[in-house]
Amino acid sequence: DSGVTQTPKHLITATGQRVTLRCSPRSGDLSVYWYQQSLDQGLQFLIHYYNGEERAKGNILERFSAQQFPDLHSELNLSSLELGDSALYFCASSNRDSYNSPLHFGNGTRLTVT
Amino acid sequence: DAKTTQPNSMESNEEEPVHLPCNHSTISGTDYIHWYRQLPSQGPEYVIHGLTSNVNNRMASLAIAEDRKSSTLILHRATLRDAAVYYCILQHTGNQFYFGTGTSLTVIP
Repeated sequence: DSGVTQTPKHLITATGQRVTLRCSPRSGDLSVYWYQQSLDQGLQFLIHYYNGEERAKGNILERFSAQQFPDLHSELNLSSLELGDSALYFCASSNRDSYNSPLHFGNGTRLTVT
Repeated sequence: DAKTTQPNSMESNEEEPVHLPCNHSTISGTDYIHWYRQLPSQGPEYVIHGLTSNVNNRMASLAIAEDRKSSTLILHRATLRDAAVYYCILQHTGNQFYFGTGTSLTVIP
């Protein structure tokens, strides 16, 4: 158990809808990362937050947004969903804003868009 | 993105050592080398990381070439539970982790 909690585990929704994925980092971790993993692609970095502030953006679509709250949990909002958004979404946390800090991943939210 | 190159797949016999190679010829001086693995239907799991010196932990060893352009993850005795996709990643200043396609390790009983 990594200590990172993601909810829900599974989500099925229709095209055009909006969903929110939630991540609770390990106790004491200030950094949260979001990744998308599709069948035909590897793990794609989406966005990184540290202590409530956005630190870096990767391949995140404009239809997607995220935030990190004062209690350090994070939410990833996906809107105007398309079939191609079906994927596993992982959250990871680390305890420092440093490049010598390993990531601890949750078990992901599997999103299916029909 | 700093690029790493790994073989798509490897096989190993159970209880034998496994050497998983990674090339990272464009590595910069401050990039850490990280290894993660992902078992089916799970999130990636941290294995080991290092900067210049070889590193050991309870899971594996990391051997880093003197010029840092390549590294090798060593599993000392492969078990069936080690069957996974292994990712070699360079962590940039600024804390970005970019995953490549990884090496799918099959452990043969």
